Amino acid sequence: DAMVIQNPRYQVTQFGKPVTLSCSQTLNHNVMYWYQQKSSQAPKLLFHYYDKDFNNEADTPDNFQSRRPNTSFCFLDIRSPGLGDAAMYLCATSRALGGRSDTQYFGPGTRLTVL
Amino acid sequence: ILNVEQSPQSLHVQEGDSTNFTCSFPSSNFYALHWYRWETAKSPEALFVMTLNGDEKKKGRISATLNTKEGYSYLYIKGSQPEDSATYLCAPLNTGNQFYFGTGTSLTVIP
Repeated sequence: DAMVIQNPRYQVTQFGKPVTLSCSQTLNHNVMYWYQQKSSQAPKLLFHYYDKDFNNEADTPDNFQSRRPNTSFCFLDIRSPGLGDAAMYLCATSRALGGRSDTQYFGPGTRLTVL
Repeated sequence: ILNVEQSPQSLHVQEGDSTNFTCSFPSSNFYALHWYRWETAKSPEALFVMTLNGDEKKKGRISATLNTKEGYSYLYIKGSQPEDSATYLCAPLNTGNQFYFGTGTSLTVIP
């Protein structure tokens, strides 16, 4: 049974047209993460929520926003996608934050194409 | 940004061959490490959770070691099978309790 679900799996948007990616989890984990992975690069953490507390990475562009309306759902909003935002976006969850034993559980990712 | 390097970037081996890859990171900054396995069109899954310097983990034909003092972890696959084909990502944990991912090693096992 899927524990971290991402929708859609593939998203095509136009340059400058806002887009929202969705993530849901059935694990009841406190922490939800969003990563961006560009071709041949390491997954890069954009931000995470610990419960309702939002933590933005220092180098995450303002163009990227996130919402977590409840424990199960988290959204990634890209306000004005540029060609450079085309990437795989991975959602992950963990029970706690940054502990050495805290495994992250990933969704399958959403591949975003910007035309 | 702390550099986490994985080598090789990609690897093609014959079924039955044993193989290994490396994850390197600045030793002064990291104290634990996770390995993830990512098959095409699936979710990355945790393979090993290594919490201490000197940790050795094994799952079937796959094993891993961690040396935080010198800043590396090795992943070994004995007798590779086609189902081992995947990208293997390492994620060391730094003293600020943040994981940094490597770029991955893409393994293809040829039947």
